[in-house]
Parts: sequence; C-alpha cells; structure tokens
Amino acid sequence: DGGITQSPKYLFRKEGQNVTLSCEQNLNHDAMYWYRQDPGQGLRLIYYSQIVNDFQKGDIAEGYSVSREKKESFPLTVTSAQKNPTAFYLCASSIKGTQYFGPGTRLLVL
Amino acid sequence: DAKTTQPNSMESNEEEPVHLPCNHSTISGTDYIHWYRQLPSQGPEYVIHGLTSNVNNRMASLAIAEDRKSSTLILHRATLRDAAVYYCILRDVKVGAGGTSYGKLTFGQGTILTVHP
Repeated sequence: DGGITQSPKYLFRKEGQNVTLSCEQNLNHDAMYWYRQDPGQGLRLIYYSQIVNDFQKGDIAEGYSVSREKKESFPLTVTSAQKNPTAFYLCASSIKGTQYFGPGTRLLVL
Repeated sequence: DAKTTQPNSMESNEEEPVHLPCNHSTISGTDYIHWYRQLPSQGPEYVIHGLTSNVNNRMASLAIAEDRKSSTLILHRATLRDAAVYYCILRDVKVGAGGTSYGKLTFGQGTILTVHP
C-alpha cells in the first residue's frame, strides 16, 4: 500500500541528546514537510522540502535540522539546542498542493 | 498568510447533517480553501478543497460563498467516527524548483466536533 510511514511511534530523549525521527513515503511525491504539534494546538511548520537536495526553514526551525538525500526520505533531527522538544511530530508529503500525513511520532524528554 | 476564523467547538447528533463554518475575509484570488480533520493522536486527514465553485466528494461537501469570504464544510450524515478537530486552511499555489507544486499549510486552532449517539 502507498503511504507515509514515521518511526518510531514513541521516542524518548535524554537531556543534551540529539534524536532523529524517520519519515518515508512511497507516493512518489516531490514535496515533503515536518510539523510540530503541542497539546491542544494546531500544527506549526518546522522544515519543508520541494525537491531532493533542497529544503527550507519553516516557522519554527531553530533547534532542528533535516536532510533530503532521497525522494522517499526526509528525516528530522531534534538537536540538543531545542530546549522544549516534547511534542507530537508529523511528517507530510504533497502532490498538487494536497498534503498527506503520516501517523506521527511522539517525542518525550526524560 | 491569509487567516481563517472557526468556532472553537460544535456538537451534533449521529446521522444528522453538520455544517462547519469558516470565515476568511482576507482571502486572495489565488488562495484555495482546504479542509483537513484530525482524530486524536493521529495525523491530519485531507477532507476536501475548492477555489470558487462548490465541491462534493465521498466524505463531504464544500460550499463557498460567492464573495469567497466564507465557506462551509458539510457532513451530510454525521457518524461517531466523524468526531475530530476540523481545520479550515487557505493555501496559495506555488510552483517551486523543478516545476513541482507545493504550498505551506498554516493550521489554526480548528473546530472540535463532538458527535452524540
């Protein structure tokens, strides 16, 4: 089945640790996105990529980094510089402007 | 980015129609109106989108005012599975590198829909 997968479903981060969230899609979409969602809030854009080897900062990029070496993959690294990383992270890909979301990764700080 | 205004919450009974309103008075001529919904602990799900004309699909209908300053998402017969947060979003079409079409979605608070049995 075509779709977007995110792993892991839950992730725990220790203080000062970098963690990487995986996002893979087999929909052959060019554009991919990372959003963060805090409890009771809407989604906020972290980074997006229009095409392989290209990405742009979204509204809240500080403390995060991404790469786009393959069309299918858009991993997000939450660095130790992100002081409040606890949130629900959502990856999406799009075609003709409609975005399709993965199931999300919930990141918790120990 | 053009902003949308939605009620914080709405309630409905099962098998009744639901009309979810959205105001977007600063919409530009190239903004598409998108609706997504999000169930608890899941990623948002695309529902429907339109530009000027009313749209229908298997999930819902979208009624767009003639002046495009407001729109209404219509669920014809609400079920318990329709209980979710519904987001109304304006999206401008952009063409990026390589001719790919993309666009950022700016999510507001949305409308929490409660469906009673």
